[in-house]
Amino acid sequence: AQSVAQPEDQVNVAEGNPLTVKCTYSVSGNPYLFWYVQYPNRGLQFLLKYITGDNLVKGSYGFEAEFNKSQTSFHLKKPSALVSDSALYFCAVRDRGNTDKLIFGTGTRLQVFP
Amino acid sequence: DTEVTQTPKHLVMGMTNKKSLKCEQHMGHRAMYWYKQKAKKPPELMFVYSYEKLSINESVPSRFSPECPNSSLLNLHLHALQPEDSALYLCASSQDFGQVTDTQYFGPGTRLTVL
Repeated sequence: AQSVAQPEDQVNVAEGNPLTVKCTYSVSGNPYLFWYVQYPNRGLQFLLKYITGDNLVKGSYGFEAEFNKSQTSFHLKKPSALVSDSALYFCAVRDRGNTDKLIFGTGTRLQVFP
Repeated sequence: DTEVTQTPKHLVMGMTNKKSLKCEQHMGHRAMYWYKQKAKKPPELMFVYSYEKLSINESVPSRFSPECPNSSLLNLHLHALQPEDSALYLCASSQDFGQVTDTQYFGPGTRLTVL
């Protein structure tokens, strides 16, 4: 069965520092991976996705993610964090047995301090 | 434009009420979804519509009744809900059904409180 894991419930980083939000996956076959961000009392906003090709995927708001097949990881990164990046981040993978189902991780709360 | 709109933003209802949630997209997407999200938890899929037909029902109780009047609209009819049904209800859409590379775009959600 497909699954993703987000090992950190919360990540704290100072404004201006680089940030990383971790995600590991377990899939059979090729992985199709997504990152979403959720601000308080809002819906999910799509950041980026990995389908195939370059291992470094660039997305919205300066975020990027690095796909690592050997480590089965898809970590979200940003070179310089902003206070406004503080939000809940979800990693997700497509369920190959049910192709319209996104399987979400448990979420990581990112807190960026001034 | 990747906008999905949902109304109302907030809804408070009693256990005997009947209410409806509405979702709209004008991106020409042919697949639409309802998700339920409890606080600090990931979204859980409820229903998927493809070309206005119900494709997936994730064993949702019958007190939730989805409807897709046309390709742009998706409703969720609520009746005899329980307090544990209080949650954020998210609508999403994607270009097509069954395409693993498609992105699902989410609306802002309706915050539902059942008293």
